[in-house]
Amino acid sequence: DSGVTQTPKHLITATGQRVTLRCSPRSGDLSVYWYQQSLDQGLQFLIQYYNGEERAKGNILERFSAQQFPDLHSELNLSSLELGDSALYFCASSPMTDGYTFGSGTRLTVV
Amino acid sequence: EDQVTQSPEALRLQEGESSSLNCSYTVSGLRGLFWYRQDPGKGPEFLFTLYSAGEEKEKERLKATLTKKESFLHITAPKPEDSATYLCAVHPRGGNTPLVFGKGTRLSVIA
Repeated sequence: DSGVTQTPKHLITATGQRVTLRCSPRSGDLSVYWYQQSLDQGLQFLIQYYNGEERAKGNILERFSAQQFPDLHSELNLSSLELGDSALYFCASSPMTDGYTFGSGTRLTVV
Repeated sequence: EDQVTQSPEALRLQEGESSSLNCSYTVSGLRGLFWYRQDPGKGPEFLFTLYSAGEEKEKERLKATLTKKESFLHITAPKPEDSATYLCAVHPRGGNTPLVFGKGTRLSVIA
């Protein structure tokens, strides 16, 4: 157990739907990062939050959004889902800016 | 643009057959280079961080080295349980830049 908790582990949904992925960082870590991993693209950075504030943004689609709450857990919202959004979504946390610890991921399947 | 290229994409070894994985990187300034191990369907697991050229780190059968342009992950006398995808990532200097990952090397060790 890495200390980073992601739920749900698996999600199957239809095109056009909206889903929410949840991440609880390791105790004491203020930064949360979201990455998308598909078979041919590797790990792609989506967005970073630090202590509730957005700090960095990658190639995140406008249909995707995220937030970090006062208790430091984070949610990634994916809407108007398309088949191409099927992927593994990982959350990672770190105390500062080095040494990410990853969760076990959420496997999203859009049908 | 910060970039990480890993080679080979896949490597098949006999148990006990030592080899090296390569990670070439282009980055404006390097804060650190990371190696992770990822098992199928699981989150990346941290292995090493290297900060400066000439630095080496070891863990069991793995040794990571760093030069100004690339890093190597040497695997000595591998066992079947070393089979996994090995990911390399760079942490660029400056601002809130997240880790940039390569696509990984998929290692299979055959008994």
